[in-house]
Amino acid sequence: GESVGLHLPTLSVQEGDNSIINCAYSNSASDYFIWYKQESGKGPQFIIDIRSNMDKRQGQRVTVLLNKTVKHLSLQIAATQPGDSAVYFCAEIFNTGNQFYFGTGTSLTVIP
Amino acid sequence: EAEVAQSPRYKITEKSQAVAFWCDPISGHATLYWYRQILGQGPELLVQFQDESVVDDSQLPKDRFSAERLKGVDSTLKIQPAELGDSAMYLCASSLDPVSGNTIYFGEGSWLTVV
Repeated sequence: GESVGLHLPTLSVQEGDNSIINCAYSNSASDYFIWYKQESGKGPQFIIDIRSNMDKRQGQRVTVLLNKTVKHLSLQIAATQPGDSAVYFCAEIFNTGNQFYFGTGTSLTVIP
Repeated sequence: EAEVAQSPRYKITEKSQAVAFWCDPISGHATLYWYRQILGQGPELLVQFQDESVVDDSQLPKDRFSAERLKGVDSTLKIQPAELGDSAMYLCASSLDPVSGNTIYFGEGSWLTVV
């Protein structure tokens, strides 16, 4: 399944499928990006980050892709599990002014 | 694993009363943030500290909100008087140096309900 980030705040996928969550960031000067997972009633939990001099970074079951040309960030989750159900936020950091902003978030629901 | 500690976890207060939240960042983290998160929305920055100095408080409603980090370690966020619209989760986060790409870690948040 695939989301369209801020314009499609919910995403439902079957357990075992791959998930793609998208994010359009706002500032071309942003040079550091973080994906967070937030479960109900808890604080955001760091998943993976990427700097602007990279276009791809992989973690355990997760991959972040960065396309600076169109200011687009995506999070790919392989073999999605029920425990992946949460809201996912992308965050961008502007080097100048040390500013850190979150997107609206995408709610991922994994169907067993 | 080091964590950002916040208290209280839950707080119910009557409108017009004062309320305070405390945050202890990860040891050694110079940058500390306070965010407010309304249910169903992303976190919004209220104030950012670098050591004991305020870096950004442009979104802090200064008529009723105040924040301090006197010794550059732990921090307190105060609301006085509380209003119904202040009901939200207040999140604290910290980082060694986000500009250099050091990760920003969040606490579990403090839920505020104003009645």
